[in-house]
Amino acid sequence: GENVEQHPSTLSVQEGDSAVIKCTYSDSASNYFPWYKQELGKGPQLIIDIRSNVGEKKDQRIAVTLNKTAKHFSLHITETQPEDSAVYFCAASMTTDSWGKLQFGAGTQVVVTP
Amino acid sequence: NAGVTQTPKFRILKIGQSMTLQCTQDMNHNYMYWYRQDPGMGLKLIYYSVGAGITDKGEVPNGYNVSRSTTEDFPLRLELAAPSQTSVYFCASGKLPGQGYNSPLHFGNGTRLTVT
Repeated sequence: GENVEQHPSTLSVQEGDSAVIKCTYSDSASNYFPWYKQELGKGPQLIIDIRSNVGEKKDQRIAVTLNKTAKHFSLHITETQPEDSAVYFCAASMTTDSWGKLQFGAGTQVVVTP
Repeated sequence: NAGVTQTPKFRILKIGQSMTLQCTQDMNHNYMYWYRQDPGMGLKLIYYSVGAGITDKGEVPNGYNVSRSTTEDFPLRLELAAPSQTSVYFCASGKLPGQGYNSPLHFGNGTRLTVT
């Protein structure tokens, strides 16, 4: 089955700097890669996703890149703000009836210090 | 718009007790899921449903049961609670992504369960 590895497990950045989180996946059949943000005491919330027919996607300060050949994808947050502090999860699945059967990475705790 | 609602928020069970975690969504989503999250780990899929009357096992189904009699509700049943089931449980719902639009999986805020 699919295995998703995520690094780093913790990330401390100064406000205004960029943050990068990297994930690798094992199943070449996976073609849907969402990123979720989880704040303390709440459920994960989708912040951006990408499909395997796209190499990069941006939404304001957030961008995701995908390298299908190397089977890795990354989340980039620019101009970080204190409200970006949270746990971020990458995930992988397929855009079929199995789309919601997400295989999650272990998460990255991001701390943005003013 | 309530989204995905989970009850209770917290629960402490003794070993061998049973309980049902409730999940309801008001977005008319066909797909519903139960995940568990252990400390320092990502979420793991317990059970899922692609529509009323249809359920299937995920990665870690042992010790759990589900039912899906309506589109809105997807309860998770623990029959004989064990300490290994101490976790935070998340219910989620969504619809199949189409071309060119995001179709997020909507999560509830979780039920924190402790089995002692």
